[in-house]
Amino acid sequence: GDSVTQMEGPVTLSEEAFLTINCTYTATGYPSLFWYVQYPGEGLQLLLKATKADDKGSNKGFEATYRKETTSFHLEKGSVQVSDSAVYFCASYLGNTGKLIFGQGTTLQVKP
Amino acid sequence: EAQVTQNPRYLITVTGKKLTVTCSQNMNHEYMSWYRQDPGLGLRQIYYSMNVEVTDKGDVPEGYKVSRKEKRNFPLILESPSPNQTSLYFCASSPYPGFQETQYFGPGTRLLVL
Repeated sequence: GDSVTQMEGPVTLSEEAFLTINCTYTATGYPSLFWYVQYPGEGLQLLLKATKADDKGSNKGFEATYRKETTSFHLEKGSVQVSDSAVYFCASYLGNTGKLIFGQGTTLQVKP
Repeated sequence: EAQVTQNPRYLITVTGKKLTVTCSQNMNHEYMSWYRQDPGLGLRQIYYSMNVEVTDKGDVPEGYKVSRKEKRNFPLILESPSPNQTSLYFCASSPYPGFQETQYFGPGTRLLVL
């Protein structure tokens, strides 16, 4: 069945370090892909999305490119801040049912 | 302010005592959904609703019920809660279950079943 796999966490970085969180998916067809972020004590909010191959989603300095050939949607940021500490979820979207399939989440801790 | 609200935010109950978690959205969205979040498993869909009076099972529907009598409300009902339903629950909505639609999440309800 369809699934999303993320790298294991927690990821601990120093401020201004480069961030990569890996995400790969399996799907029949070509799903839309999303990154959601969950700050402590809050619900999920959309960080960025891409709807077709080679699309790049970007927001708040984060970027991810939809790579059909490697079935990947890795999240990157050039210089992380303490305020980026959160749990990040990769998700794929089955348009005909409305169901989001989530990865297991990756906790990011950024230290000053 | 456009939002999805859930109540209660925190709940401690005992096995077998029926409970309802409410979810309401003020964005006139057609699509609503319930997820549970468990460590190491991410979020898993419990039930979803494409529109009023239309509901369907997600991946983990056992032990849960839902109803969609009004467009804005989508309550989650646990008729006889068990400890394995201890979890963090999220309600979400989107304009319609289209291919590119973003889902908007509520703040979550943390449930502990003793």
